[in-house]
Amino acid sequence: GAVVSQHPSWVICKSGTSVKIECRSLDFQATTMFWYRQFPKQSLMLMATSNEGSKATYEQGVEKDKFLINHASLTLSTLTVTSAHPEDSSFYICSANNRDTQYFGPGTRLTVL
Amino acid sequence: AQSVAQPEDQVNVAEGNPLTVKCTYSVSGNPYLFWYVQYPNRGLQFLLKYITGDNLVKGSYGFEAEFNKSQTSFHLKKPSALVSDSALYFCAVRDTNQGGKLIFGQGTELSVKP
Repeated sequence: GAVVSQHPSWVICKSGTSVKIECRSLDFQATTMFWYRQFPKQSLMLMATSNEGSKATYEQGVEKDKFLINHASLTLSTLTVTSAHPEDSSFYICSANNRDTQYFGPGTRLTVL
Repeated sequence: AQSVAQPEDQVNVAEGNPLTVKCTYSVSGNPYLFWYVQYPNRGLQFLLKYITGDNLVKGSYGFEAEFNKSQTSFHLKKPSALVSDSALYFCAVRDTNQGGKLIFGQGTELSVKP
């Protein structure tokens, strides 16, 4: 139980385009999901907390107009990287709360050319 | 401020030997503590957690961790390491001031050699 999926697992896009990443809780409902960014060999950096039916809460320094988050249902949150640039290339990981524990998706590798 | 520290960037052990990955924390109130493992290019897998109860917590893949309140530690242990245990390990504590958020340590890379 407590499985979280992400799609796509990797994506390559051109600079200036937008990319949408989906995060789904497969066997439980999650009112709260989280989006993280991770650089190689580093810890996770929390970008935002996604709340079902309400606006996401962004961490300091994260541009909300650039990283659009939508949590329209209890099993799906999406992160859209708008007008992506090479510096947005990273590994993006989502997680979902199930009772007291966060369960993580497998991650999405974004490469912006 | 609440924080988690993993004092070792890397831990090297021989296969079959016991392993310990260290974690100390600083929180206000009772801590909710977690260990996760990350294999290359993958998300984090939940190993175990301490919320309340027995100080020795058993988790997945033969791992266990001991909550020590006086030393504010939550070290991850395994009696006999496997080569397949080689991965990046993260300790985390739930932020009691901002419901649900996790505060992560910087991670410890475990290398188990045959």
